[in-house]
Amino acid sequence: EAGVAQSPRYKIIEKRQSVAFWCNPISGHATLYWYQQILGQGPKLLIQFQNNGVVDDSQLPKDRFSAERLKGVDSTLKIQPAKLEDSAVYLCASSSPTSGGSGANVLTFGAGSRLTVL
Amino acid sequence: GNSVTQMEGPVTLSEEAFLTINCTYTATGYPSLFWYVQYPGEGLQLLLKATKADDKGSNKGFEATYRKETTSFHLEKGSVQVSDSAVYFCALKRGSSNTGKLIFGQGTTLQVKP
Repeated sequence: EAGVAQSPRYKIIEKRQSVAFWCNPISGHATLYWYQQILGQGPKLLIQFQNNGVVDDSQLPKDRFSAERLKGVDSTLKIQPAKLEDSAVYLCASSSPTSGGSGANVLTFGAGSRLTVL
Repeated sequence: GNSVTQMEGPVTLSEEAFLTINCTYTATGYPSLFWYVQYPGEGLQLLLKATKADDKGSNKGFEATYRKETTSFHLEKGSVQVSDSAVYFCALKRGSSNTGKLIFGQGTTLQVKP
């Protein structure tokens, strides 16, 4: 099966500019996640969708970050305006109740979008 | 709250050495436990998992046993190769609910020298 697709792979912007990242999950996966991975740290969940509804956005900085998943398939994560501390890799992942075979709801990750804010 | 703690890296080993990367967790209920690996320039890949106490996950020569009594899920490999050089992340997920989120440790970098 095709994996999780993300674009762009790399983006360099100046602070206060805006940026958008796109994710296409594995076909049939109802759950989609956006994680932020700062250099030297483990990934941190920003937002989780179940179909096109938000399940958890408790750690999303809503004053500058937004995400949507129209039609329950593709998703877009936007940052406006960007700050220096937003420099990170933004990982998209998807899962289904049967992914991983034993009901563990295993996440499959994309390659990530690396953001550098100058 | 739920959290995962991994041993500090980097870990530097010679080829064919024995590997242990320690991982302990704090969680309510009965989480599922995972090890993910991130090779340079690539995304996270699932390495192995265990969904209940005393389960052993294994893949590509790596093993980890879910120890509820010590709240640990240490990663081991008997003989590492240069190609195993990567960052390893331990993670937990509460239950099998589709709404449970994956919580990661900070990652441990492994460098294997020929």
